[in-house]
Amino acid sequence: ETGVTQTPRHLVMGMTNKKSLKCEQHLGHNAMYWYKQSAKKPLELMFVYSLEERVENNSVPSRFSPECPNSSHLFLHLHTLQPEDSALYLCASSQDPDRGRGNTIYFGEGSWLTVV
Amino acid sequence: QKEVEQNSGPLSVPEGAIASLNCTYSDRGSQSFFWYRQYSGKSPELIMFIYSNGDKEDGRFTAQLNKASQYVSLLIRDSQPSDSATYLCAVKGGNKLTFGTGTQLKVEL
Repeated sequence: ETGVTQTPRHLVMGMTNKKSLKCEQHLGHNAMYWYKQSAKKPLELMFVYSLEERVENNSVPSRFSPECPNSSHLFLHLHTLQPEDSALYLCASSQDPDRGRGNTIYFGEGSWLTVV
Repeated sequence: QKEVEQNSGPLSVPEGAIASLNCTYSDRGSQSFFWYRQYSGKSPELIMFIYSNGDKEDGRFTAQLNKASQYVSLLIRDSQPSDSATYLCAVKGGNKLTFGTGTQLKVEL
C-alpha cells in the first residue's frame, strides 16, 4: 500500500473507445502527476497538477485529457487512442512540485493499458 | 546525450555480494538524486535520495554522489534474491525530475 491508489489496474480498449483512469492519493500531498512507462524507455512525465491547477503538459497528444477535481483525485480520460499508446500509466503524488530539494514522488501501482 | 544514463544490464551478482549500480547525468545544475526500485509488473518505489556529495547509508543500501564527475551510484551490500529488480535513477534540477531507463539487477543463488 503506497498511499496512491489507481484503478483500473488493467484496461483493454479499442481505438474508438472512451475510458478513464482514476487515481486517488491519501498522503495529503499538493501535487499529482501522470507518467507513462513504455518498454525500454525512461518514465515520461505527461502532466503535473499543483493544487488542482495544471502546471505542466509535456506535449502530450490531445487524445489524453487529464482532470484534477481536487488535490486528492486525478483522472486521465482516454479517447481514440492508438496501439502505440499501450503502456503502463503511473499516477504519482508529492508534497510540492517544485519547492525544496526533496519533492519525493510516490507512485501508485499503475494501470496497464492495452489498445487493440 | 541522454539526460540520465544507466546501463540497462542485466547485472548479475551472487547472493551475499555487493551490487554496484551506476548513473550519470548531464545537467550540472541538478540538485537532488533518487534511487527507485521497480519489481517486474509493479510500480517504482523510493529506496533512497541524496543531495550532498559523499555517501549516504541506509541499512544495506549506500548512495554515493559525486557532482564534479556527475555520477551517482547505489551499492547494495549482502545482496539477496529479493533485491532482483530494475533500479531507476532519477535526477532533479529545478522543478524537473528526469528518470533513467533503469538497470536490471539479478541476484543469483
